[in-house]
Amino acid sequence: NAGVTQTPKFRILKIGQSMTLQCTQDMNHNYMYWYRQDPGMGLKLIYYSVGAGITDKGEVPNGYNVSRSTTEDFPLRLELAAPSQTSVYFCASSYSGDSNQPQHFGDGTRLSIL
Amino acid sequence: GDSVTQMEGPVTLSEEAFLTINCTYTATGYPSLFWYVQYPGEGLQLLLKATKADDKGSNKGFEATYRKETTSFHLEKGSVQVSDSAVYFCALSDQAQAGTALIFGKGTTLSVSS
Repeated sequence: NAGVTQTPKFRILKIGQSMTLQCTQDMNHNYMYWYRQDPGMGLKLIYYSVGAGITDKGEVPNGYNVSRSTTEDFPLRLELAAPSQTSVYFCASSYSGDSNQPQHFGDGTRLSIL
Repeated sequence: GDSVTQMEGPVTLSEEAFLTINCTYTATGYPSLFWYVQYPGEGLQLLLKATKADDKGSNKGFEATYRKETTSFHLEKGSVQVSDSAVYFCALSDQAQAGTALIFGKGTTLSVSS
């Protein structure tokens, strides 16, 4: 039972490069999320999706884009990498938008931008 | 807006000591409350949850009670083990929030020595 799978686990980018962080889940969850975790801080919401074809901004969306063409996949795109985007990125999913539903997290992608 | 405040770390304990990690919250609606644990190099795992006032969540010897009158959800364990060393996050989920995303505290690092 894979759950939420993120790739890659680690990546180093140069300023101005672009990349896509991959996230896939096999639990048939409707809701998916991208968070970033900075040192000594809790997680901040970047984008979320309530179903295929529907995405919306979270608290810190600037510099990122997402798409949700299937229920399983929710990739996060960085178009012009900046040092401020150095962080650990977590993808999560939940079955529904009910507040009592826990979110299931991937193992994260550690991204450094130099 | 909604927010979560948890005690600053790190918390350093000897094996078999009693653990308390304080967590208080501010919410406009009726949130569900969660504790997540993050082991080194891994994603967040749900530790326990409570969905309404006076509920007690419990798992692996950890407990937390949803106290609406004090807006608190303190995490406790009677006897910690070295394997409990990790970062603990208090979080709330409120359907008034966009996408019912989780709002996290900053995390508390627990280090248990033998």
